[in-house]
Amino acid sequence: DTAVSQTPKYLVTQMGNDKSIKCEQNLGHDTMYWYKQDSKKFLKIMFSYNNKELIINETVPNRFSPKSPDKAHLNLHINSLELGDSAVYFCASSSSIQFGTGELFFGEGSRLTVL
Amino acid sequence: EDKVVQSPLSLVVHEGDTVTLNCSYEVTNFRSLLWYKQEKKAPTFLFMLTSSGIEKKSGRLSSILDKKELFSILNITATQTGDSAIYLCARGSNYKLTFGKGTLLTVNP
Repeated sequence: DTAVSQTPKYLVTQMGNDKSIKCEQNLGHDTMYWYKQDSKKFLKIMFSYNNKELIINETVPNRFSPKSPDKAHLNLHINSLELGDSAVYFCASSSSIQFGTGELFFGEGSRLTVL
Repeated sequence: EDKVVQSPLSLVVHEGDTVTLNCSYEVTNFRSLLWYKQEKKAPTFLFMLTSSGIEKKSGRLSSILDKKELFSILNITATQTGDSAIYLCARGSNYKLTFGKGTLLTVNP
Protein backbone atom coordinates (compact mmCIF):
# COMPACT_ATOMS: atom_id res chain seq x y z
CA ASP A 1 0.00 0.00 0.00
CA THR A 2 1.33 3.43 -0.96
CA ALA A 3 1.57 5.64 2.11
CA VAL A 4 1.14 9.01 0.34
CA SER A 5 -0.37 8.86 -3.12
CA GLN A 6 -0.86 11.64 -5.61
CA THR A 7 -2.81 11.75 -8.86
CA PRO A 8 -2.14 12.43 -11.61
CA LYS A 9 1.59 11.72 -11.79
CA TYR A 10 1.93 13.68 -15.02
CA LEU A 11 -0.10 16.61 -16.26
CA VAL A 12 0.45 18.52 -19.51
CA THR A 13 -1.84 21.46 -20.16
CA GLN A 14 -2.13 24.81 -21.89
CA MET A 15 -1.64 28.22 -20.31
CA GLY A 16 -4.84 29.60 -18.87
CA ASN A 17 -6.36 26.23 -18.03
CA ASP A 18 -7.43 25.10 -14.56
CA LYS A 19 -6.17 21.81 -13.11
CA SER A 20 -6.27 19.83 -9.88
CA ILE A 21 -3.91 17.43 -8.16
CA LYS A 22 -5.21 15.05 -5.51
CA CYS A 23 -3.35 13.65 -2.52
CA GLU A 24 -4.28 10.97 -0.04
CA GLN A 25 -2.32 9.46 2.85
CA ASN A 26 -3.09 6.26 4.75
CA LEU A 27 -0.59 6.80 7.56
CA GLY A 28 -3.10 8.19 10.02
CA HIS A 29 -1.33 11.55 10.02
CA ASP A 30 -3.26 14.75 10.57
CA THR A 31 -0.78 17.15 9.05
CA MET A 32 -0.33 17.49 5.30
CA TYR A 33 1.72 19.73 3.03
CA TRP A 34 2.21 20.81 -0.55
CA TYR A 35 5.74 21.48 -1.78
CA LYS A 36 6.83 22.75 -5.19
CA GLN A 37 10.13 21.59 -6.73
CA ASP A 38 11.40 23.70 -9.62
CA SER A 39 13.67 22.74 -12.48
CA LYS A 40 16.74 23.38 -10.32
CA LYS A 41 15.39 20.87 -7.78
CA PHE A 42 14.72 23.53 -5.13
CA LEU A 43 11.96 22.21 -2.87
CA LYS A 44 9.82 25.00 -1.44
CA ILE A 45 6.83 24.76 0.87
CA MET A 46 3.52 26.11 -0.39
CA PHE A 47 0.91 25.11 2.19
CA SER A 48 0.57 23.13 5.37
CA TYR A 49 -2.65 21.86 6.94
CA ASN A 50 -3.21 20.51 10.42
CA ASN A 51 -6.51 18.79 11.17
CA LYS A 52 -7.98 20.22 7.97
CA GLU A 53 -7.05 23.77 8.99
CA LEU A 54 -4.71 25.89 6.88
CA ILE A 55 -1.65 26.75 8.96
CA ILE A 56 0.89 27.98 6.42
CA ASN A 57 0.34 29.76 3.12
CA GLU A 58 3.83 30.60 1.98
CA THR A 59 3.04 33.65 -0.20
CA VAL A 60 1.53 31.48 -2.88
CA PRO A 61 -0.57 33.29 -5.55
CA ASN A 62 -4.34 33.19 -5.09
CA ARG A 63 -4.57 31.05 -8.22
CA PHE A 64 -3.51 28.13 -6.01
CA SER A 65 -6.25 26.91 -3.72
CA PRO A 66 -5.72 23.91 -1.46
CA LYS A 67 -8.64 22.00 0.01
CA SER A 68 -8.64 19.44 2.77
CA PRO A 69 -11.98 17.60 2.89
CA ASP A 70 -10.68 15.39 5.72
CA LYS A 71 -7.42 14.68 7.50
CA ALA A 72 -6.35 12.06 4.97
CA HIS A 73 -6.76 14.22 1.89
CA LEU A 74 -5.24 17.45 0.66
CA ASN A 75 -6.01 18.53 -2.88
CA LEU A 76 -4.50 21.38 -4.87
CA HIS A 77 -6.45 23.32 -7.46
CA ILE A 78 -4.67 25.75 -9.77
CA ASN A 79 -6.53 28.36 -11.82
CA SER A 80 -5.32 30.19 -14.90
CA LEU A 81 -2.11 28.20 -15.24
CA GLU A 82 1.06 30.08 -16.19
CA LEU A 83 4.32 28.87 -17.70
CA GLY A 84 6.07 29.43 -14.38
CA ASP A 85 3.77 26.93 -12.70
CA SER A 86 5.61 24.11 -14.48
CA ALA A 87 7.24 22.08 -11.73
CA VAL A 88 6.93 18.89 -9.72
CA TYR A 89 4.41 19.22 -6.91
CA PHE A 90 4.94 17.00 -3.89
CA CYS A 91 2.38 16.20 -1.28
CA ALA A 92 3.67 15.15 2.13
CA SER A 93 2.34 14.26 5.54
CA SER A 94 3.59 14.05 9.12
CA SER A 95 2.24 13.43 12.57
CA SER A 96 0.91 16.39 14.56
CA ILE A 97 3.43 15.81 17.27
CA GLN A 98 6.17 16.50 14.78
CA PHE A 99 4.32 19.23 12.92
CA GLY A 100 6.88 20.93 10.75
CA THR A 101 9.84 19.59 12.64
CA GLY A 102 9.93 15.86 12.09
CA GLU A 103 10.03 13.41 9.27
CA LEU A 104 7.87 14.16 6.27
CA PHE A 105 6.52 11.30 4.19
CA PHE A 106 6.41 12.35 0.55
CA GLY A 107 4.24 11.27 -2.32
CA GLU A 108 5.90 10.44 -5.63
CA GLY A 109 5.20 13.86 -7.06
CA SER A 110 3.01 15.24 -9.84
CA ARG A 111 4.92 16.69 -12.77
CA LEU A 112 3.00 19.63 -14.21
CA THR A 113 4.01 21.00 -17.60
CA VAL A 114 2.32 24.18 -18.82
CA LEU A 115 2.67 24.87 -22.56
CA GLU B 1 13.55 34.36 6.16
CA ASP B 2 14.44 30.82 7.15
CA LYS B 3 17.65 30.00 5.38
CA VAL B 4 19.42 26.71 4.73
CA VAL B 5 22.65 26.71 2.74
CA GLN B 6 24.20 23.55 1.40
CA SER B 7 27.66 23.05 -0.02
CA PRO B 8 29.00 22.01 -2.36
CA LEU B 9 26.16 22.31 -4.86
CA SER B 10 27.59 19.41 -6.82
CA LEU B 11 30.29 16.83 -6.34
CA VAL B 12 31.76 14.10 -8.54
CA VAL B 13 33.72 11.28 -6.92
CA HIS B 14 34.89 7.75 -7.67
CA GLU B 15 33.52 4.63 -6.06
CA GLY B 16 35.20 4.01 -2.75
CA ASP B 17 35.78 7.68 -1.96
CA THR B 18 34.48 9.30 1.22
CA VAL B 19 32.41 12.45 0.89
CA THR B 20 31.28 15.12 3.33
CA LEU B 21 28.26 17.25 2.57
CA ASN B 22 27.67 20.47 4.46
CA CYS B 23 24.56 22.28 5.63
CA SER B 24 24.37 25.56 7.53
CA TYR B 25 21.18 27.10 8.86
CA GLU B 26 19.72 30.09 10.64
CA VAL B 27 19.03 29.72 14.34
CA THR B 28 15.65 31.48 14.69
CA ASN B 29 13.08 29.07 16.16
CA PHE B 30 15.23 26.11 15.19
CA ARG B 31 13.76 22.74 16.18
CA SER B 32 15.42 20.08 14.03
CA LEU B 33 17.73 19.37 11.10
CA LEU B 34 16.85 16.64 8.62
CA TRP B 35 18.66 14.97 5.73
CA TYR B 36 16.90 13.46 2.75
CA LYS B 37 18.12 11.61 -0.35
CA GLN B 38 16.36 12.21 -3.65
CA GLU B 39 16.90 10.00 -6.65
CA LYS B 40 14.34 9.97 -9.43
CA LYS B 41 11.18 10.56 -7.45
CA ALA B 42 10.31 11.53 -3.90
CA PRO B 43 12.85 12.50 -1.25
CA THR B 44 13.50 9.67 1.18
CA PHE B 45 14.33 10.28 4.82
CA LEU B 46 17.85 9.66 6.10
CA PHE B 47 18.31 11.33 9.48
CA MET B 48 16.77 13.77 11.91
CA LEU B 49 19.04 15.62 14.32
CA THR B 50 17.99 17.68 17.29
CA SER B 51 20.89 17.40 19.71
CA SER B 52 24.35 18.77 19.19
CA GLY B 53 27.32 16.45 18.96
CA ILE B 54 25.44 13.16 18.79
CA GLU B 55 26.26 11.23 15.65
CA LYS B 56 23.54 9.32 13.88
CA LYS B 57 24.65 6.41 11.76
CA SER B 58 23.06 4.13 9.21
CA GLY B 59 25.43 1.81 7.39
CA ARG B 60 27.93 3.90 5.46
CA LEU B 61 26.06 7.13 6.16
CA SER B 62 26.44 9.25 9.26
CA SER B 63 25.46 12.74 10.29
CA ILE B 64 26.10 15.15 13.13
CA LEU B 65 24.76 18.51 14.22
CA ASP B 66 26.65 21.45 15.70
CA LYS B 67 24.13 23.84 17.27
CA LYS B 68 26.80 26.28 18.36
CA GLU B 69 28.21 26.79 14.88
CA LEU B 70 24.81 26.19 13.22
CA PHE B 71 25.74 23.48 10.78
CA SER B 72 25.40 19.80 10.07
CA ILE B 73 27.43 17.39 7.97
CA LEU B 74 26.48 14.21 6.19
CA ASN B 75 29.28 11.73 5.64
CA ILE B 76 29.21 8.86 3.20
CA THR B 77 32.09 6.40 3.35
CA ALA B 78 33.09 3.88 0.66
CA THR B 79 30.72 5.49 -1.84
CA GLN B 80 28.91 3.35 -4.38
CA THR B 81 27.26 4.28 -7.67
CA GLY B 82 23.91 3.80 -5.94
CA ASP B 83 24.73 6.76 -3.71
CA SER B 84 24.40 9.07 -6.72
CA ALA B 85 21.51 11.39 -5.86
CA ILE B 86 20.59 14.84 -4.64
CA TYR B 87 21.06 15.16 -0.88
CA LEU B 88 18.72 17.64 0.74
CA CYS B 89 19.12 19.26 4.10
CA ALA B 90 16.06 20.77 5.81
CA ARG B 91 15.54 22.88 8.90
CA GLY B 92 12.44 22.28 11.01
CA SER B 93 10.79 25.31 12.61
CA ASN B 94 7.61 27.38 12.50
CA TYR B 95 5.46 24.43 11.46
CA LYS B 96 7.44 23.67 8.32
CA LEU B 97 10.59 22.15 6.91
CA THR B 98 12.68 24.61 4.93
CA PHE B 99 14.96 22.90 2.44
CA GLY B 100 18.34 23.88 1.09
CA LYS B 101 19.07 23.72 -2.63
CA GLY B 102 20.67 20.33 -2.33
CA THR B 103 24.00 18.76 -3.20
CA LEU B 104 24.09 16.72 -6.40
CA LEU B 105 26.42 13.78 -5.77
CA THR B 106 27.65 11.72 -8.70
CA VAL B 107 29.62 8.57 -7.94
CA ASN B 108 31.48 7.20 -10.94
CA PRO B 109 32.53 3.54 -11.18
